[in-house]
Order: sequence, then structure tokens, then C-alpha cells
Amino acid sequence: GAGVSQTPSNKVTEKGKYVELRCDPISGHTALYWYRQSLGQGPEFLIYFQGTGAADDSGLPNDRFFAVRPEGSVSTLKIQRTERGDSAVYLCASSLGPGYEQFFGPGTRLTVL
Amino acid sequence: KNQVEQSPQSLIILEGKNCTLQCNYTVSPFSNLRWYKQDTGRGPVSLTIMTFSENTKSNGRYTATLDADTKQSSLHITASQLSDSASYICVVSGDNTGTASKLTFGTGTRLQVTL
Repeated sequence: GAGVSQTPSNKVTEKGKYVELRCDPISGHTALYWYRQSLGQGPEFLIYFQGTGAADDSGLPNDRFFAVRPEGSVSTLKIQRTERGDSAVYLCASSLGPGYEQFFGPGTRLTVL
Repeated sequence: KNQVEQSPQSLIILEGKNCTLQCNYTVSPFSNLRWYKQDTGRGPVSLTIMTFSENTKSNGRYTATLDADTKQSSLHITASQLSDSASYICVVSGDNTGTASKLTFGTGTRLQVTL
């Protein structure tokens, strides 16, 4: 596609529920990144994929967070047993490869009630 | 710990005026520094990128400077327009080898341009 797309744009869920956030990177971009941005803060790194594999998942806050990229294109960020503190905008970015400019999607705003 | 600090936290200026945003970083080693513009409800968009050897880079009305010795950068906006209202985020990369692609983001400066 022309840019990175993310769905849904907004997600409201209840504490304890499971959510999936989807990212469609720019076609041909092998690197994909997930970030979390709290209100008034800069994005915080969560996980980085090179192809299908998670090359760096050191930013995932705990084991409730998991991400996959089974075919090296679309990625899904999965959050189990959501907590109110998970409320944030989740940004996805992709790049031609590691070290190249990252292009960001519009984000998914997650609200946990 | 790698950190990027930005100032001011927020800024209001009149349309047509100039402004300068500041960024101090402690990221080491240093690979490059980017300034991003983030409109409300959108993802960040890159404005400029500078490596260690570059000390100024322009993109239209945006001019970024870098002093790698003092680890400071600035973003100067000339003849501001209402559409410049956004958050401006300074982002420093400490590794360009391909093995670690984490970026250190500043918290941003929220700019509002008014009539």
C-alpha cells in the first residue's frame, strides 16, 4: 500500500479482555516495529521484526504482550488480560530494513475501561 | 541510560513568526538524529535526519542543527503557518548496524500556531 495502515483506529475494551491490533506495513518493507505512546509522551519501543522473526522484543512490558508476523508482512500485536494502564496509542512503523527510515502508521488508540 | 530531552514542552506563537525548538541527548554511541512532526491523531513523519558529520539540514521552512560535541540539536521553523501546529519529536538512533534498531524518542514539543 501507499503507507502503513493500522486497524482498528480506535479500540475500547474492558479490563481483563483480550485485544488484537493489526499493522499492514508498506509493501516490500522487511522491518516492522511496534511502539506504545502514552498521552504527552514520545513513543516507546515494544518489539522489532526483521522478516517473520522478532529480532528484538526487549521493549515488551510483560508476558501479556505478544506480537506475530507469520508471513513477514502483516503483524498483529496481541494483549491478554488488558489493564487500564495499557491504555495508549499503539504505533506501528516499517522500513526497508534495519537502520533505514521508519514510516509510521496512524496508530490504534486503545482504551481499557 | 539513553535519554532525549526537549524544550520547551509547549509553545504558542503567532502565524508568520519564527521559533526554535531544542533537543539535548545522552545517547551513546550516536548514529543519527531525526526530527519528526506528529499531527494530532497521526503517526510521526520525518522532517530531517542528520548524522555525526552534519551540522545543519533544511527541509523547506524547517532547519535543523546538530552539535555532536555538546549533544544538542535545534529545529528552527521560519514564517510559521497554522498547519505547523503539531508535536515535534526529536529522535536519536544509537546503532545503525542493523542489529539494534531501537530509537530513543524525546517527549516532544507541542507547538500551536495562532492567528
